[in-house]
Amino acid sequence: NAGVTQTPKFQVLKTGQSMTLQCAQDMNHEYMSWYRQDPGMGLRLIHYSVGAGITDQGEVPNGYNVSRSTTEDFPLRLLSAAPSQTSVYFCASSGSGKPQHFGDGTRLSIL
Amino acid sequence: KNQVEQSPQSLIILEGKNCTLQCNYTVSPFSNLRWYKQDTGRGPVSLTIMTFSENTKSNGRYTATLDADTKQSSLHITASQLSDSASYICVVRVEYGNKLVFGAGTILRVKS
Repeated sequence: NAGVTQTPKFQVLKTGQSMTLQCAQDMNHEYMSWYRQDPGMGLRLIHYSVGAGITDQGEVPNGYNVSRSTTEDFPLRLLSAAPSQTSVYFCASSGSGKPQHFGDGTRLSIL
Repeated sequence: KNQVEQSPQSLIILEGKNCTLQCNYTVSPFSNLRWYKQDTGRGPVSLTIMTFSENTKSNGRYTATLDADTKQSSLHITASQLSDSASYICVVRVEYGNKLVFGAGTILRVKS
C-alpha cells in the first residue's frame, strides 16, 4: 500500500541548474498538489491539478512548472534553481472532499 | 485575509501528561477544519476533520474541538506518549475553490 511516493528524498543543486521532483500515487485520486514547507511557516501551495491534463497555479508558483499526463503522476520542475527555493517539498493527493495524503517529502538545497 | 494561527509554537511535556494545542482562524467562508500530525522527516498525516456543525471529534487519545462562533479549535492529547512527539498542524478549508490555509504548526516534545 504505497500511497504517495516522492523521489528523490534529498537533493543538492547549484544555482541555475534544473531538475524534476517526482510524485506518484496509487490511490486513483483526481486531486494532486505540490507544497513547500519552510521553517516557521505553514505549507504553501505551489501548483495543483484536479485531473489528468488540468493544472493550475497555487500561492507561490514562480520558478516552478508542472504537468499531469496521467492520473498517477504529477512531477514538479524547477526551471533554474535559486537559493530561495531551498525548502522541503511535499506532494499530496486526495479524493473529492477527503483529507489529503502526503508523501514524505523531498529535501532540496540550492547552493 | 485568510489566516490560521497556532499556539504555542512549541511545547515540552512529560510522558503521561495531557496537553492542549490551540488554533485560531480567520478563514471565510469556512468549510472544514483538519488537524494533521507530522513526524520528523515525514509528511503530515490526517488526525481529524470537522465541519461547521461538529463540536468535537476523537481519534484515540486525540480529541479535537471546534467553536465556529469564536473561530477557535483545540487539539487535546490525553496520556501523552513518546511517539506523540511531532508537529501538529491545523488546516482550514475555504468553501468554494478547494483552497486550504495551513497554520505553521505546534512542535510537541514528549520526554520521559
